[in-house]
Amino acid sequence: QMQLVQSGAEVKPPGASVKLSCKTSGYTFTHFYIHWVRQAPGRGLEWIGILHSDNGNTIYAQPFQGRVTVTRDTSTSTAYLELSGLRFEDTAMYFCTREAGGFDIWGQGTLVTVAS
Amino acid sequence: QAGLTQPPSVSKDLGQTATLTCTGNSNNVGDEGAIWLQQYQGHPPKLLSHRSNYRPSGISDRFSASRSGNTASLTITGLQPEDEADYYCSAWDNTLKAWLFGGGTKLTVL
Repeated sequence: QMQLVQSGAEVKPPGASVKLSCKTSGYTFTHFYIHWVRQAPGRGLEWIGILHSDNGNTIYAQPFQGRVTVTRDTSTSTAYLELSGLRFEDTAMYFCTREAGGFDIWGQGTLVTVAS
Repeated sequence: QAGLTQPPSVSKDLGQTATLTCTGNSNNVGDEGAIWLQQYQGHPPKLLSHRSNYRPSGISDRFSASRSGNTASLTITGLQPEDEADYYCSAWDNTLKAWLFGGGTKLTVL
């Protein structure tokens, strides 16, 4: 079945970088965009950016520009999110999701904790 | 970035109808429409409605989405205990070139 499986939880100190993965299966990876969305504890959803899986083009939300890089490996149907210069307020659950007229399939989420 | 506006909470009685709203502007909801997501605590969101107000396979027909101008609405009929969740709207903004989310509405079924 179609699914997105994300990498495991991360704990990082302030200022560090983190790279998360989102492995897709059950559909043709390059046919659908992948988005990254995060949710801080007890807060709402926040859009981070979009990956055009076919050509690798990306668009990032303004608050993340300069700190985020989204990439892909088409050979493994995997999308990646790298966030640098981590701050305490980056502590959140990070989700990848497929866009098909809406965000129709979601990964299970990766908890990133920024702690000293 | 400016987001979409949702009421923080809505409470309705079991079996009643709840209508959740999501207000944007002509660059987002009014142009591209909105999607609706349901989220239970500790779980990823689930898509309830596409931008075209189309309901994905497996979603109960008690959920219906609509749009009037710059406001999108999600109507839930015959409220059940399992409808108690957080509901988010989201829309693409053509000017900001970004997807926006509403702050979410916590639906309580009394």
